[in-house]
Amino acid sequence: AQRVTQPEKLLSVFKGAPVELKCNYSYSGSPELFWYVQYSRQRLQLLLRHISRESIKGFTADLNKGETSFHLKKPFAQEEDSAMYYCALGGFYGGSQGNLIFGKGTKLSVKP
Amino acid sequence: DAGVTQSPTHLIKTRGQQVTLRCSPKSGHDTVSWYQQALGQGPQFIFQYYEEEERQRGNFPDRFSGHQFPNYSSELNVNALLLGDSALYLCASSLLTRDTGELFFGEGSRLTVL
Repeated sequence: AQRVTQPEKLLSVFKGAPVELKCNYSYSGSPELFWYVQYSRQRLQLLLRHISRESIKGFTADLNKGETSFHLKKPFAQEEDSAMYYCALGGFYGGSQGNLIFGKGTKLSVKP
Repeated sequence: DAGVTQSPTHLIKTRGQQVTLRCSPKSGHDTVSWYQQALGQGPQFIFQYYEEEERQRGNFPDRFSGHQFPNYSSELNVNALLLGDSALYLCASSLLTRDTGELFFGEGSRLTVL
């Protein structure tokens, strides 16, 4: 069965420290992985997707099919990065839209 | 563009009742997906509507049903409410032909079942 695991409920770091939010997935097909973010009092929004291989707000994530992981990384955390981060798995039914499986989320807190 | 709008924002029902939640997609979008988010959990896929038909469905009972109208707006109906249906219900829209995987979410409707 398809599954997304985010092992940390809460991750607390100091400003300027590196950040890594872990995500592991279980899927036998060709996965499409996403990171969604929810800032305080805002709606859930896409942060980045593995197929675009881009860096958004200094965050990057590499899909490692051997380890079935898609960890989110940033070298220097900023206070404005504090938010709830969700890893999501798609790629079913021949397309990535709509049917996403989300992890339980990791709350990132960046202290000054 | 107001983005995805949902109504109502909050509602309280009792067990056994029925509820209807509404969603207007982002302008230009034709596909609506519904998610249930229980407290402390990630969103869980309920179903997706495109061209007024249910295109995909997650692991939810038949008590959960939906509809999409010609203007692409959508409704989620839940019958015979259970305490466990208490959750935040999120609507997300997208454009099917632009398969980027990006969903645009609304702020949600928070349902409390007493």
